[in-house]
Amino acid sequence: QSVLTQPPSASGTPGQRVTISCSGSSSNIGSFPVNWYRQLPGMAPKLLIYRNNQRPSGVPARFSGSKSGTSASLAISGLQSEDEADYYCAAWDDSLNGFCVFGGGTKLTVL
Amino acid sequence: EVQLVQSGAEVKKPGESLKISCKGSGYSFVSYWIGWVRQMPGKGLEWMAIIYPGDSDTRYSPSFQGQVTISVDKFINTAHLQWSSLKASDTAMYYCVRVGIIPADGVYDYWGQGTLVTVSS
Repeated sequence: QSVLTQPPSASGTPGQRVTISCSGSSSNIGSFPVNWYRQLPGMAPKLLIYRNNQRPSGVPARFSGSKSGTSASLAISGLQSEDEADYYCAAWDDSLNGFCVFGGGTKLTVL
Repeated sequence: EVQLVQSGAEVKKPGESLKISCKGSGYSFVSYWIGWVRQMPGKGLEWMAIIYPGDSDTRYSPSFQGQVTISVDKFINTAHLQWSSLKASDTAMYYCVRVGIIPADGVYDYWGQGTLVTVSS
């Protein structure tokens, strides 16, 4: 059971807009920025969105992030077949001595 | 170019010890926290621990505290993850990550290629 809750799966057709949610609590998302990671099949994860809504260099503008209270969302517009991957949210948690928590991951399928 | 290069795959028996490594290059190694993330077969990402090479300050996930040891040799720009007695449940891919700026941002801006650890009798 992950500390951050994501839907296990999501899907869309090419060109569509899809969103993936990430729910946490006051000790993590409610207090710290949310980051999103994408893991293509057989590859190491990569940073996709950082500090709630910032895109690293090279990430297309069709990827966007938002946060409200103890929840966050990743939106992908203009869905492409190469977007089929696993997506993870993550945030710091100030319980105990402080540590990072990941969501369980969402497998995105492009139909 | 920032790179994190991890040591190769390992096959071990239960009860054996193991130390895997991650060598950073292309940046000031002592200035960034570095850590480890586990991914069990077919499962999601699990944050394990991070260490600051400048002073060896560490943070562990409660799930991994006491189960593994993170360390660093700043003179050879290398971080390590160590087990004293492996279990079959330690079978996983282990990724090395560089922490961007501060731990509380939770930004892992560079990832190693992964080290596959297989524990089987």
